[in-house]
Amino acid sequence: DAKTTQPPSMDCAEGRAANLPCNHSTISGNEYVYWYRQIHSQGPQYIIHGLKNNETNEMASLIITEDRKSSTLILPHATLRDTAVYYCIVTGANSKLTFGKGITLSVRP
Amino acid sequence: DSGVTQTPKHLITATGQRVTLRCSPRSGDLSVYWYQQSLDQGLQFLIQYYNGEERAKGNILERFSAQQFPDLHSELNLSSLELGDSALYFCASSYPGVEQYFGPGTRLTVT
Repeated sequence: DAKTTQPPSMDCAEGRAANLPCNHSTISGNEYVYWYRQIHSQGPQYIIHGLKNNETNEMASLIITEDRKSSTLILPHATLRDTAVYYCIVTGANSKLTFGKGITLSVRP
Repeated sequence: DSGVTQTPKHLITATGQRVTLRCSPRSGDLSVYWYQQSLDQGLQFLIQYYNGEERAKGNILERFSAQQFPDLHSELNLSSLELGDSALYFCASSYPGVEQYFGPGTRLTVT
């Protein structure tokens, strides 16, 4: 699986958009970009994934650059409940997930 | 609620003992994955089963074993437990080719 690089932490104000970056310069053509988050010690929660096109669902938007070497997860209106560790993972379909350290997002009131 | 259930929620046992963790996947999911999360190692993939067959293996110790039964539930067996096995153990399930959904985890404490 391709390696990903995320900053260790970031914060944003409640109600504002949170833009979480991820670099994955060694991604191969059949690998997807997945985002999961983990709130405290709960089970990781699936957020969104994409191959090359931008994706949006009820939780977030995923913007993937044209060369697929980086992506951004966007939480459009962050709330306090979005405070969590967010993991960007690159992997093939139906494959194991390799978690890195992720990025800790702190949403402040 | 992801639809994946894990039992027990907490487990406290002594070194040298053996325990069994159980996972029931979401209805219709054929794949089950096991992950271990410890403070020093982070979230690590252990093993994957697909429709009863082992599909992939990660950094799973020889003291650990797993299986997936015909009804698709899975069990992770941990034996000769050591202090370092204390961790959160997560099970995830997926239908082929789509995202994994995680259970709430089992917190294992070895004393």
